[in-house]
Amino acid sequence: GQQLNQSPQSMFIQEGEDVSMNCTSSSIFNTWLWYKQDPGEGPVLLIALYKAGELTSNGRLTAQFGITRKDSFLNISASIPSDVGIYFCAGHGAGSYQLTFGKGTKLSVIP
Amino acid sequence: DGGITQSPKYLFRKEGQNVTLSCEQNLNHDAMYWYRQDPGQGLRLIYYSQIVNDFQKGDIAEGYSVSREKKESFPLTVTSAQKNPTAFYLCASSMVYSNQPQHFGDGTRLSIL
Repeated sequence: GQQLNQSPQSMFIQEGEDVSMNCTSSSIFNTWLWYKQDPGEGPVLLIALYKAGELTSNGRLTAQFGITRKDSFLNISASIPSDVGIYFCAGHGAGSYQLTFGKGTKLSVIP
Repeated sequence: DGGITQSPKYLFRKEGQNVTLSCEQNLNHDAMYWYRQDPGQGLRLIYYSQIVNDFQKGDIAEGYSVSREKKESFPLTVTSAQKNPTAFYLCASSMVYSNQPQHFGDGTRLSIL
């Protein structure tokens, strides 16, 4: 089946630093979604991308749909303590309405 | 407010016991999903349903059962056949046959007594 490779697996950063994480696939995806999960809660949608090359922002978050349609990245600028959590990428592969999820990037922010 | 409600938040199961996790949505979504999440792991699909009275197995359906008698409800039963049920269970819903995102409930944490 389709798989998403998400990296890094975890990261520790200082408050105020920028963060970048990415997701890659060996096959083409039609959509890319980025979710954030706080401990003990369900994932919350941050950004949805539907077209190759699309660049979308949500506050301090920016995500891009790779031109090859096989990757996406999420950037967080000027990190704050409440950015702590697990960030998941997900996507719909070509010809599929099922979501494939990455294994997540665990972000820790040091005040 | 529209959303997905999972209950209970915490659930404990004794050996040999079946337990049922509730999931209700008022988003008017046709498709509903159950996922299992283990520590440090991504989300693994247990079952999904695209229409009332119909559902399909996901990647890890063994030891689980579901029903979809109403559009708003998609309960998951963890049976005694599931030998390692301790996990965080997430329910989601979405429009059917669409690339629109899935929306998630807040999860149920199941533990073994």
